[in-house]
Amino acid sequence: AQKITQTQPGMFVQEKEAVTLDCTYDTSDPSYGLFWYKQPSSGEMIFLIYQGSYDQQNATEGRYSLNFQKARKSANLVISASQLGDSAMYFCAMRENTNAGKSTFGDGTTLTVKP
Amino acid sequence: NAGVTQTPKFRILKIGQSMTLQCTQDMNHNYMYWYRQDPGMGLKLIYYSVGAGITDKGEVPNGYNVSRSTTEDFPLRLELAAPSQTSVYFCASSISGLGEKLFFGSGTQLSVL
Repeated sequence: AQKITQTQPGMFVQEKEAVTLDCTYDTSDPSYGLFWYKQPSSGEMIFLIYQGSYDQQNATEGRYSLNFQKARKSANLVISASQLGDSAMYFCAMRENTNAGKSTFGDGTTLTVKP
Repeated sequence: NAGVTQTPKFRILKIGQSMTLQCTQDMNHNYMYWYRQDPGMGLKLIYYSVGAGITDKGEVPNGYNVSRSTTEDFPLRLELAAPSQTSVYFCASSISGLGEKLFFGSGTQLSVL
């Protein structure tokens, strides 16, 4: 079974607007971590934000925030005030306590920011 | 601080050839990983290591081998290359497990023809 599902292969957003990238996950482990990474066209992988399963508040990092809904097993990334440089592929990933050595990635969402 | 260094950046192999992808990190991280990324897809875990002398299989280990003799180095060996191994390979490391982000190398673009 797919552990990380990103249902939006591609998304478009107007510059300066906010956008939400969806991520749902599947685990029976009560202790896990959720990550978002950005991959620009240059190919490198850039860490954006982390949410622990026991964290009470949604994580925020600058213009990035994670909308964590534990009961729904969703961890959506919200990018506020989109910039042209946000155009990239975005990956959601999970690490489970029982498999702490392994990160499982979704298939990604390609975000295009329009001027 | 170099972080995670992968070599080579590009390589073309003929079917049946072998090669080693090198990965080294200078952050004293215990955990190291090898992922492959096929075009338009996410990352699939090939092998990982939680410390020197300890390695384990990921989702797609067939056709690959690894070793971890030191904390710094985690080479990936491809034996008898096949076209299905055409992919971008990423090495990554982290301090430890659950809550720690991955630090990635810049990737190796491998084509098997």
